[in-house]
Amino acid sequence: DAGITQSPRHKVTETGTPVTLRCHQTENHRYMYWYRQDPGHGLRLIHYSYGVKDTDKGEVSDGYSVSRSKTEDFLLTLESATSSQTSVYFCAISWGPGPRGYTFGSGTRLTVV
Amino acid sequence: SQQGEEDPQALSIQEGENATMNCSYKTSINNLQWYRQNSGRGLVHLILIRSNEREKHSGRLRVTLDTSKKSSSLLITASRAADTASYFCATDVGVKETSGSRLTFGEGTQLTVNP
Repeated sequence: DAGITQSPRHKVTETGTPVTLRCHQTENHRYMYWYRQDPGHGLRLIHYSYGVKDTDKGEVSDGYSVSRSKTEDFLLTLESATSSQTSVYFCAISWGPGPRGYTFGSGTRLTVV
Repeated sequence: SQQGEEDPQALSIQEGENATMNCSYKTSINNLQWYRQNSGRGLVHLILIRSNEREKHSGRLRVTLDTSKKSSSLLITASRAADTASYFCATDVGVKETSGSRLTFGEGTQLTVNP
């Protein structure tokens, strides 16, 4: 997807290990979001950022932390991965704050074994 | 629980037919958006309708919004095999000047268009 990349695309990790997912944008968008997508739940917001060093929690933030030290990068960290965090993680960006659509990355498929 | 719920969960039609998907939500919204997701890919924004609008068109897409019933519908006319995807509605319940909007997604409708 133009202007937004997620890395890694796939990752398998062991229970209890920390994991960091990266979202990088070249659009200079102020707003960035992390969602997880699971069957039967659609997409659920984990954390979001409305500027450098400005972040807030979404509806499923437990067990996750984020950091945004520069406009282009938004990092999602699973502090101690659990099997319930096996999911597909999507990053999204938006100009905001007005009514605008989001641009999504291609996702990171994370498996915790 | 999810703010938006799509109906039906799955829809299978023939090429050339119209496809209608519905979305219901629970609280007042500022705007409602529809997204498409092809298998294994990220979501793609299709159309946004504001709370003071009743209908909006974009190409073969028509979206309606009924705030009194808290529902929206997405109509795809003259469907093509390439329209096969999952379709999600997303609601924006408010915009904060500093922290911006946050979209809440439904579980999606899986549309299959058979050639």
